[in-house]
Amino acid sequence: NAGVTQTPKFRVLKTGQSMTLLCAQDMNHEYMYWYRQDPGMGLRLIHYSVGEGTTAKGEVPDGYNVSRLKKQNFLLGLESAAPSQTSVYFCASSYSPGGTQYFGPGTRLTVL
Amino acid sequence: DQQVKQNSPSLSVQEGRISILNCDYTNSMFDYFLWYKKYPAEGPTFLISISSIKDKNEDGRFTVFLNKSAKHLSLHIVPSQPGDSAVYFCAAILTGTASKLTFGTGTRLQVTL
Repeated sequence: NAGVTQTPKFRVLKTGQSMTLLCAQDMNHEYMYWYRQDPGMGLRLIHYSVGEGTTAKGEVPDGYNVSRLKKQNFLLGLESAAPSQTSVYFCASSYSPGGTQYFGPGTRLTVL
Repeated sequence: DQQVKQNSPSLSVQEGRISILNCDYTNSMFDYFLWYKKYPAEGPTFLISISSIKDKNEDGRFTVFLNKSAKHLSLHIVPSQPGDSAVYFCAAILTGTASKLTFGTGTRLQVTL
């Protein structure tokens, strides 16, 4: 039981490049979330999903897109990376909307 | 607008003493509160939670207190251990369909020998 895994762990991009972050969970959770953590800002919700095939915007969705084609996977895409997207990205999942969220280890992204 | 605030960015406590981490919130509709602990290079892990219908919840060395009238909650760690050194995030939620956690900015706890 791996819990929540994230790929890759580190990535450096140039401005304008695109990439996809993969989150996978093996707990059969319906709800999945993408957060970013910046110094002094805590964790801010980017997008979330309440089930396979559904996505919704969080607090800071601009510049990101997501997809949930399979229940166990939640992808976060950056179409044209900007330096302001330099951050640590965390994925989380939960069984219910108010339930405990289980987090992945994070992806450290640097955009030059 | 920061709805969940942790006004102390850092806290240093001696081993064996009590650590008290504070959290304030502005949205009176929040009905469930959680504390997460985060070590460097790892994701946050759930520590303890409390429903708005309670004023205290205890789990071993960890106790969370909720003062709804003051919109304030606190996490007490007794006795503090070096392994407790981490960043602690307070989070709040309005439970219901597609409810989302709102996190505070975190407090870095350093437990010294």
